[in-house]
Amino acid sequence: ETGVTQSPTHLIKTRGQQVTLRCSSQSGHNTVSWYQQALGQGPQFIFQYYREEENGRGNFPPRFSGLQFPNYSSELNVNALELDDSALYLCASSRGGLVVSDDQNTEAFFGQGTRLTVV
Amino acid sequence: DQQVKQNSPSLSVQEGRISILNCDYTNSMFDYFLWYKKYPAEGPTFLISISSIKDKNEDGRFTVFLNKSAKHLSLHIVPSQPGDSAVYFCAASADTGTASKLTFGTGTRLQVTL
Repeated sequence: ETGVTQSPTHLIKTRGQQVTLRCSSQSGHNTVSWYQQALGQGPQFIFQYYREEENGRGNFPPRFSGLQFPNYSSELNVNALELDDSALYLCASSRGGLVVSDDQNTEAFFGQGTRLTVV
Repeated sequence: DQQVKQNSPSLSVQEGRISILNCDYTNSMFDYFLWYKKYPAEGPTFLISISSIKDKNEDGRFTVFLNKSAKHLSLHIVPSQPGDSAVYFCAASADTGTASKLTFGTGTRLQVTL
């Protein structure tokens, strides 16, 4: 079991509404990434936060936005929800800012996800 | 454009035998690769990773092989156990060897039968 927790676990929203998803990162991790996993697909990178700054963004529109707080927890906000936003949203925490040596493993630990349904 | 591809959506293997899951990638900037296992209603669980400076990494029953010239990696599970039944995702990063900004494949569903 990882130390990454997400809330809520399930959510139903109406098209056009706004939603906020939350993630607490694993102790010692300063980087949080958000992913969207549609049914039958692999997770797709939305964006990443490192030390409270956005540090990379995937191919998602600006209505997907985020925040990272001083304790490294994070929020994902989605405005003007569309039916296609229905998906599992995953948060991952990792130790960013490090170049991995030959003998180190580095991992991104995922939370259990938030299942968002837009109707 | 699918930069990480898992061309086998499913695989069935008998308990005790070897499971081989394959993954191909197109982006030559990827320098770190990971395998994740995912059960329904759970987040992906990290299994094993490999840096592009290596061609093999082992961890218990799991071995990952990387062929950079072919842009191909594979995950070997020996021996396969029923608890290994899950969806396996291959992921890649171009972020200087860190497990961030991952690009995932579409997954392979492994079923280990008795």
